[in-house]
Amino acid sequence: DAGVIQSPRHEVTEMGQEVTLRCKPISGHDYLFWYRQTMMRGLELLIYFNNNVPIDDSGMPEDRFSAKMPNASFSTLKIQPSEPRDSAVYFCASSLGGTGSYEQYFGPGTRLTVT
Amino acid sequence: SQKIEQNSEALNIQEGKTATLTCNYTNYSPAYLQWYRQDPGRGPVFLLLIRENEKEKRKERLKVTFDTTLKQSLFHITASQPADSATYLCALLNAGNMLTFGGGTRLMVKP
Repeated sequence: DAGVIQSPRHEVTEMGQEVTLRCKPISGHDYLFWYRQTMMRGLELLIYFNNNVPIDDSGMPEDRFSAKMPNASFSTLKIQPSEPRDSAVYFCASSLGGTGSYEQYFGPGTRLTVT
Repeated sequence: SQKIEQNSEALNIQEGKTATLTCNYTNYSPAYLQWYRQDPGRGPVFLLLIRENEKEKRKERLKVTFDTTLKQSLFHITASQPADSATYLCALLNAGNMLTFGGGTRLMVKP
């Protein structure tokens, strides 16, 4: 298995632009998580899905952020409009429920820089 | 409010020694606690899970303890190697498979 795939790996954009981050979870996994990591705040959960349905989005910072999971093999995180304080590494992770391990598999991350 | 604390200062040890990392939490009653390893430029990688009714868990050179009275987990790497140098994150499992991560501790093992 290729693991969790994220694209792009790096994104540099100007303030006010729309940014879309993409994630392909591991095939068969029924949970998908979006995290943001910064030096100041560490690794924070933004939103997670179970069977393509958003379960908890309480970590989404504000309405500029939105996430979708149209099918079991694809999810997007969109920021519109982007701001410099959104600069961070965004990780997608997936896991398989019902195994008792709750192990999450992380992608390589997307490093976002908003100038 | 819920809080997970890990020593933010880097831990420097000599190769062959045992590294011990600490994770303290408050206002939580987690059923599970996990440890992850993160290398620069990469996503975290799962290492171990320990349940609240388990005092200790081992995997090769790794050992994790979980004291729900002290609200603390200790993570040990025995016979440490330079390749063990990384940031180690503890995470508490909340309802619905949600993880809350500590800030991580960077470990440097010198040859």
